[in-house]
Amino acid sequence: SQQGEEDPQALSIQEGENATMNCSYKTSINNLQWYRQNSGRGLVHLILIRSNEREKHSGRLRVTLDTSKKSSSLLITASRAADTASYFCATEYTSYDKVIFGPGTSLSVIP
Amino acid sequence: NAGVTQTPKFQVLKTGQSMTLQCAQDMNHNSMYWYRQDPGMGLRLIYYSASEGTTDKGEVPNGYNVSRLNKREFSLRLESAAPSQTSVYFCAVSSYYEQYFGPGTRLTVT
Repeated sequence: SQQGEEDPQALSIQEGENATMNCSYKTSINNLQWYRQNSGRGLVHLILIRSNEREKHSGRLRVTLDTSKKSSSLLITASRAADTASYFCATEYTSYDKVIFGPGTSLSVIP
Repeated sequence: NAGVTQTPKFQVLKTGQSMTLQCAQDMNHNSMYWYRQDPGMGLRLIYYSASEGTTDKGEVPNGYNVSRLNKREFSLRLESAAPSQTSVYFCAVSSYYEQYFGPGTRLTVT
């Protein structure tokens, strides 16, 4: 399977703290995306980082990509209760023209 | 502007029954996808359609068929449902890289 892996599987933090989740993947990629899924809903695209980029920001989100380690991290700063959701990384591999989703990290932000 | 819609939202089937899950988009995107989501497994691609009139298998196509009726609609059919097909099914459309998801269909096969 080409599926990437998120780490940790579950994360619980207090409101106002930062949340970091990681994604590792297996072979060369064109790009890596992060999605959020609120309970019982469809996934929502958060951010895309291309293989030639190392860092991207979007509001309170910061994504890094280390192609030498085949890993990415998503940092959510100053977390809010509304950030409680599952977060998925999705990789577009160069050898496979479709996106592969990881199993996700479940984030709980406690008010 | 509804984006991506799916029907039904919930369905319970008995083993061996058939059903069709419907997906429609008003985003005018070419690519459409069907995924299933099981606990701890992320999303797995069942079938996709790069454009009207074309379909192709994803990671887990067995037990499913699809039809890309026109640019707007992409349906997923279970000919003989099995308990292993109990899952949440998501339709998605994409423009270049970003995917837009429907709200999902929760299917239980008993």
